[in-house]
Formats: sequence, structure tokens, C-alpha cells
Amino acid sequence: GQSLEQPSEVTAVEGAIVQINCTYQTSGFYGLSWYQQHDGGAPTFLSYNGLDGLEETGRFSSFLSRSDSYGYLLLQELQMKDSASYFCAVRDRYGGSQGNLIFGKGTKLSVKP
Amino acid sequence: NAGVTQTPKFQVLKTGQSMTLQCAQDMNHEYMSWYRQDPGMGLRLIHYSVGAGITDQGEVPNGYNVSRSTTEDFPLRLLSAAPSQTSVYFCASSLRVSPTRSSSYEQYFGPGTRLTVT
Repeated sequence: GQSLEQPSEVTAVEGAIVQINCTYQTSGFYGLSWYQQHDGGAPTFLSYNGLDGLEETGRFSSFLSRSDSYGYLLLQELQMKDSASYFCAVRDRYGGSQGNLIFGKGTKLSVKP
Repeated sequence: NAGVTQTPKFQVLKTGQSMTLQCAQDMNHEYMSWYRQDPGMGLRLIHYSVGAGITDQGEVPNGYNVSRSTTEDFPLRLLSAAPSQTSVYFCASSLRVSPTRSSSYEQYFGPGTRLTVT
């Protein structure tokens, strides 16, 4: 089966940098994704890492190390609107050729002024 | 494009009642899925479909049925509602994943249905 571990809560101040870690155990690995969810809203896609290394999208970056079964999401120049829950997710080997997306329990980020 | 739409937004049921949560997407996505989200539990997969006429169970399928008669629609049926099914339900869709197309790994979520069973 699959399991993902990420911290339940993180607090940071506006303008700072925060890193949210994710470790995973999976029988078949098809990449690590990150999703953002504001309170009362739907999850929205942030990034995907299929290979080792860093992917950058504006203020957000995501890193993957397949040998360590580890990844992280890096948020720079934090803004109040970044206060949300962040989920890491991996694809399992079911769901046809592409796998089902299995989510971690989420990290609630609170950005303080 | 409207993306992924879900109805209703809110629903209150009594124990034992049945109902159908509707989900539709207009992006011609082959893959569709249903998740439930409970506090502290993240998103858990209920059922999924890799194309019209094909459905399968996810992690927590008990008490739910699905069907996929068209590419666009993927309704979720609660057979006999129980208080344990009080949750927020999200429908999602995506393209068939392609290693040469990173955008295919994005899953699109509907706005959710907040269900309370009393």
C-alpha cells in the first residue's frame, strides 16, 4: 500500500520562506504532486515532480529525491493568501495505466503578519 | 469551459435515505474519481473510472455506488445514508497521464458537496 507523511501544521511570518516536507512509502512510484486547498475550497494543483530535482513555478518550488522517498514544497516570499492546507500526493499502480492519486493528510500553513 | 461541476453544494439527509451526488466535466477527461474529505484525514478515494463504462473501487468504497455511462458524467450514489458518511465529497477529473506531457498529471477538482447525515 501507500503512505505519506507530512507535518500537520506549520506557522511562518509574511515574507519568510517555509518548507513543507513529505516522505512516502509506495509499492510503485509514478511521481509526487502538490495541491493547495484554502478553507472551504477545492484542492488546486501546484506542481508535479516525476524525476529527481527541483521544479520552480514562481514563488513555489518542489523537490524530489526518489532514492530517499522524500520531497518538499518550498514557498518563498510568503503572503497572507498562502495560508492554506498543502497536500502531497503520489500515484499508485491501480487506476489503469496512470494510477490513482493518493493524498497525504495535509499540512496547514498559517502565515502571520 | 465550466471545468468540473458538482451538485448539490449542500445536503442534509436522514439516516437510511438514499441520494445521488452529481458530477460533470466538460474537458473530455477520461479519468474521473470521487474523494471524501474528513477533518485530519486528508482526501480518501472512494471510486474511480478510467473511461466510459469502466469503474472500480478505491480505498473507502463501502456504502457507495458509481456508474459512468458517458465521458462527461460520474454520479455517486449513497445507498442508505449513515452518520459516518457525513463529509465533504469532491469529484475530480484528469487527462490520461502521459510522461511527455507534464500538464497531464494535473487533477481538476469540483467545488465539493457538503453532506450531513443525521
